[in-house]
Amino acid sequence: EAGVTQSPTHLIKTRGQQATLRCSPISGHTSVYWYQQALGLGLQFLLWYDEGEERNRGNFPPRFSGRQFPNYSSELNVNALELEDSALYLCASSIQGYSNQPQHFGDGTRLSIL
Amino acid sequence: KNEVEQSPQNLTAQEGEFITINCSYSVGISALHWLQQHPGGGIVSLFMLSSGKKKHGRLIATINIQEKHSSLHITASHPRDSAVYICAVREGETSGSRLTFGEGTQLTVNP
Repeated sequence: EAGVTQSPTHLIKTRGQQATLRCSPISGHTSVYWYQQALGLGLQFLLWYDEGEERNRGNFPPRFSGRQFPNYSSELNVNALELEDSALYLCASSIQGYSNQPQHFGDGTRLSIL
Repeated sequence: KNEVEQSPQNLTAQEGEFITINCSYSVGISALHWLQQHPGGGIVSLFMLSSGKKKHGRLIATINIQEKHSSLHITASHPRDSAVYICAVREGETSGSRLTFGEGTQLTVNP
């Protein structure tokens, strides 16, 4: 069984640009979660998608957005990139968002802002 | 005060030693996760528990809901156990399925 896959592995952008990160959940998982891990900081919850809808959002500005497609894959979009957006972005998936199911993590996308 | 606190922040051990990492939380939770993060960044979910104790190989996780405390134990530690161990709690249903994370414990096991 393939795990959670994220692409690209690394992404280099400059200030003001836009970045798109992609995540494919484990087959059969309908919930996708996005987390940010900035250098020296712990993991922070970003977004949760379940069945194609945004279910919950962390304390991040609106320029962080995303969507979930009918096949349950997801995109995270970050607009007007700032230096502080440099971080490891992790995606996780689970079977059902409302029940107590474990989350399975991808290897992350490392976003660097120059 | 963070909602999830881990101790110690850093831990160095000799191969074979018994290791304990602690996690305390201040919110009501429906589940607690122990995660392992290797230097490359990828995260592996070790345990999810809501009561009692779970064991997998040399790893044991316990949780005391009344005291809002969990421990991760590693028996007969090995250099390959070197990683960051992260405690994360899943709050009640009103918060959906979001996880709140501790700062992590950097474990180094020397041969």
